Amino acid sequence: EDQVTQSPEALRLQEGESSSLNCSYTVSGLRGLFWYRQDPGKGPEFLFTLYSAGEEKEKERLKATLTKKESFLHITAPKPEDSATYLCAVRASGSARQLTFGSGTQLTVLP
Amino acid sequence: ETGVTQTPRHLVMGMTNKKSLKCEQHLGHNAMYWYKQSAKKPLELMFVYSLEERVENNSVPSRFSPECPNSSHLFLHLHTLQPEDSALYLCASSLTGYSGANVLTFGAGSRLTVL
Repeated sequence: EDQVTQSPEALRLQEGESSSLNCSYTVSGLRGLFWYRQDPGKGPEFLFTLYSAGEEKEKERLKATLTKKESFLHITAPKPEDSATYLCAVRASGSARQLTFGSGTQLTVLP
Repeated sequence: ETGVTQTPRHLVMGMTNKKSLKCEQHLGHNAMYWYKQSAKKPLELMFVYSLEERVENNSVPSRFSPECPNSSHLFLHLHTLQPEDSALYLCASSLTGYSGANVLTFGAGSRLTVL
């Protein structure tokens, strides 16, 4: 059974304090790992897709990396507007349109 | 506006009521999804409609009934719900058949409260 575990559940940072969110996964044949951001009262918003170990993608202060067992979302010098819940999901081979999501990390960046 | 519109945004219903959630996408996508989001739990896939197939999670109770009349519209019909069905119901769409498949675009959700 495919599993995704995100840690920590919640993270509070001071503005400018860099950190990383973790997404550990167990999947039978990874076809893609996805990061989404969800703001309160809104649906998740797509950030990145990673397909193979060693791949990295960046967007503004966010950088996502992938190994064979986990993915990290690195946040460099965060700002209060980066506060949100970050969701990780995986697609396995044989699951054409089904994603398995983690429970998310709720990030709060204090000014 | 994300391109995926859900109505109503908030719904309160009794256990004996019948109501429907509506989703509409304006992105030209060919697959639509219903997800359930409960506090502190992962998003749970309920139903998928695409050109090729309809997929449903076997653990979803029959009191939830999906309808997809065309590739742009999706409904979730609700009847005789239980209080534990209170959650945020998210609609999503995607374009299948190429490497970008499964990049989901979500609506803002319908917050359901069952009394």
